[in-house]
Amino acid sequence: EAGVAQSPRYKIIEKRQSVAFWCNPISGHATLYWYQQILGQGPKLLIQFQNNGVVDDSQLPKDRFSAERLKGVDSTLKIQPAKLEDSAVYLCASHSESSYNEQFFGPGTRLTVL
Amino acid sequence: AQKVTQAQTEISVVEKEDVTLDCVYETRDTTYYLFWYKQPPSGELVFLIRRNSFDEQNEISGRYSWNFQKSTSSFNFTITASQVVDSAVYFCALSEAAGLKNRDDKIIFGKGTRLHILP
Repeated sequence: EAGVAQSPRYKIIEKRQSVAFWCNPISGHATLYWYQQILGQGPKLLIQFQNNGVVDDSQLPKDRFSAERLKGVDSTLKIQPAKLEDSAVYLCASHSESSYNEQFFGPGTRLTVL
Repeated sequence: AQKVTQAQTEISVVEKEDVTLDCVYETRDTTYYLFWYKQPPSGELVFLIRRNSFDEQNEISGRYSWNFQKSTSSFNFTITASQVVDSAVYFCALSEAAGLKNRDDKIIFGKGTRLHILP
């Protein structure tokens, strides 16, 4: 079974630029999450999708961050414009009905904002 | 409010020693799940265990064991006969959930414990 795929693996941008990350969850997994992991900290949930609907985006900085999952499969997370404090690893995770709360994580995208 | 505390920021032990990683949690819910994840240098989070709040039985899986004590709100993780490949950051996490059909299964992570196994 293929795991959660994410791209790019690394991204370096200057502040005020825009950036987008892509996630392809495990086939059949209805629930998808985006996490932000700042160096030295645990992952923090940004947004949770159930199919193509948003379940929880309470910690998403909506003035600059946006995410979508149009067809209930792939998802993109966008930052526009980026700030220095957005430097982090962005992790995507998914789980299915049968693997309740056992979230499978992708390798992450390491973002550096200069 | 939910909170997970991993007081040990970094631990170093010599290979073959046993090591215990501490985790203390706070929650007002009576039903919740506790987790441990491993994050090796590659960065990917690897699921290790999920424990239901109603199941206080300790669990052993090979060299790994978990001690869940509701009375002290702790869910500690022990690695027996540690190996260099165990070097990683380990995260304890908590999810409050009313039941299997509850979709609000947000997981709150601790800050992690970086474990170094020295050869």
